[in-house]
Formats: sequence, structure tokens, C-alpha cells
Amino acid sequence: DAKTTQPPSMDCAEGRAANLPCNHSTISGNEYVYWYRQIHSQGPQYIIHGLKNNETNEMASLIITEDRKSSTLILPHATLRDTAVYYCIVRVADGNKLVFGAGTILRVKS
Amino acid sequence: ETGVTQSPTHLIKTRGQQVTLRCSSQSGHNTVSWYQQALGQGPQFIFQYYREEENGRGNFPPRFSGLQFPNYSSELNVNALELDDSALYLCASSLLTYDTEAFFGQGTRLTVV
Repeated sequence: DAKTTQPPSMDCAEGRAANLPCNHSTISGNEYVYWYRQIHSQGPQYIIHGLKNNETNEMASLIITEDRKSSTLILPHATLRDTAVYYCIVRVADGNKLVFGAGTILRVKS
Repeated sequence: ETGVTQSPTHLIKTRGQQVTLRCSSQSGHNTVSWYQQALGQGPQFIFQYYREEENGRGNFPPRFSGLQFPNYSSELNVNALELDDSALYLCASSLLTYDTEAFFGQGTRLTVV
């Protein structure tokens, strides 16, 4: 599985969009980009995933660059409850494991 | 609420002892994975069970073993506990081995003294 690089921490004002970047320059053609988050003292929670096209669901949007070497997770209107560690993960579609890095600590402030 | 429950929530053991952690998966989920999360780090994959058979293993020694039962429950066993085994242990269940959305439990916090 390709490695990912994320900033260790970010701050965001409540109500504003939170844009979390991820670099995955060694990603292969059959590897997907996944995002999970982990709120303090809880298990990780799936957010979104994508291969090439941009994706949107009720939680977030995922923007993947054309060369697929980087992506951005967007939380459109961050709330205090979005304060968490966000993990960007790259894996093959039929992979049986998630390889977590250190993630980005997102602090949403009022 | 993910429908995945783990027990106990906290546990203290002495070095050299053995421990069993339990996980109850979502009904119908035939795949369970276990992860170890040390303080300040991301979860690390231990192994996965699919239909009661081990289906992949991370870089963990054989003293980490598991069982999966037909009733959607599973166990993680660790023998000869070491101080470095102190961590949060997470189980995740899914319908298929490669499911995008794995549902994690709240974890068991193991402290080895």
C-alpha cells in the first residue's frame, strides 16, 4: 500500500470549511483513497473514499488531483464535533487491511 | 453507534500474563479485523478473520492470536504480555473482507504493568 503524508495538525473556525490535504505521490492505478476520522476515545469512523473522480456524501467531499498524487478532504461547515484525528489511507480495492499513518489533528474552534 | 461492542473497556494485566479481549460484530458481518493503537499513533493492523479463518496478518508475533465464532463474536488473545503491549485494541467488522466501510468498536484499553 502506498504511503501518505498529512500535516500533523490544523485549526479551523466553526462554521467555516475545513480543507485537509493528503499527499500520496506513489499511489498505484488500482489504489483508492480513503478517509477515516477518530474522535477522542472512540473507534475510527469511515468518512469517504474515491479512485479518480471527486466524491461527495452527507459528511464530506473528496477532491483528488488529476495525477492522483494528492487529495483534499473538505468538511463544508465544520462544527466543534468535527474535532478529531483525520486519517488519509491508500489501499487496493480488495485489500483486507487499513494502513493508518499518524493523521491530522483537526481542531475546530468557536 | 456502530453496532460493534468490545469488552472489557479497560483492563490492567501484569507482564507475562495472558489476556483475552472480546468483540461482538454487527449481525451478518462475516469479517472482523483487529488493530492495536499505541498512544499518539494510528491503529496498526494485527489480523483479519473471515468466516472463522485467519485471512491476513500484520507484523505481529504468534503470541497474538484470534478466534471468530459463528455468532458474530470474536476474540483476540495475547500471551506472555509485554509492557509494549499496552495500547488501545480495536476491532472492526464488515460484510466483506474488502468493504470500504468497516465499523469499529470503542476499543479495549489494555495496560500492562
